[in-house]
Amino acid sequence: NAGVMQNPRHLVRRRGQEARLRCSPMKGHSHVYWYRQLPEEGLKFMVYLQKENIIDESGMPKERFSAEFPKEGPSILRIQQVVRGDSAAYFCASSLDRDTGELFFGEGSRLTVL
Amino acid sequence: KQEVTQIPAALSVPEGENLVLNCSFTDSAIYNLQWFRQDPGKGLTSLLLIQSSQREQTSGRLNASLDKSSGRSTLYIAASQPGDSATYLCAVSGPNAGNMLTFGGGTRLMVKP
Repeated sequence: NAGVMQNPRHLVRRRGQEARLRCSPMKGHSHVYWYRQLPEEGLKFMVYLQKENIIDESGMPKERFSAEFPKEGPSILRIQQVVRGDSAAYFCASSLDRDTGELFFGEGSRLTVL
Repeated sequence: KQEVTQIPAALSVPEGENLVLNCSFTDSAIYNLQWFRQDPGKGLTSLLLIQSSQREQTSGRLNASLDKSSGRSTLYIAASQPGDSATYLCAVSGPNAGNMLTFGGGTRLMVKP
């Protein structure tokens, strides 16, 4: 039973380009969460999605960032027109239920913006 | 707004020592508290999950306690080993927040052989 799979593990983009990060949750999990870890900072919640729905996006920057979790396929975190401040590790986590409290994290996608 | 603080930020101990990592949170109305381990360049591994109605959880050499009213949790590691070297993160979820966690800044642990 594969864990949470994230790709790419490392991504380099130039300022102004787009970054797409993908996350496949654990088998049977329909709840997906994205967190961001800026250099030398703690993890911060970004967005919570269920299949085809955004449940809570209170941690998402207002512009350039979007997330989706389609009926088929992985969840995608999309960052348009990247800036150097977007350089961070982006972690995806999944859970079986909304309130079990047990999250399983992927290994993260590390974005570097040149 | 919930804030989570972990003390110390870094800790270096010789192998075999018992040690305690501390976590405090400002809003005691939590749903649960989790301790995670993060190795450099890696993801997070869940170590222990304590529901708000529980006082402690144990797994092997790890024991985590929760005092919700005072807003504190401790992670006790017995007989530390070099393989325990990692960053330990504490995270809480608020009522009705499900799995949307607020993380502390972590304690970077180094266990020297």
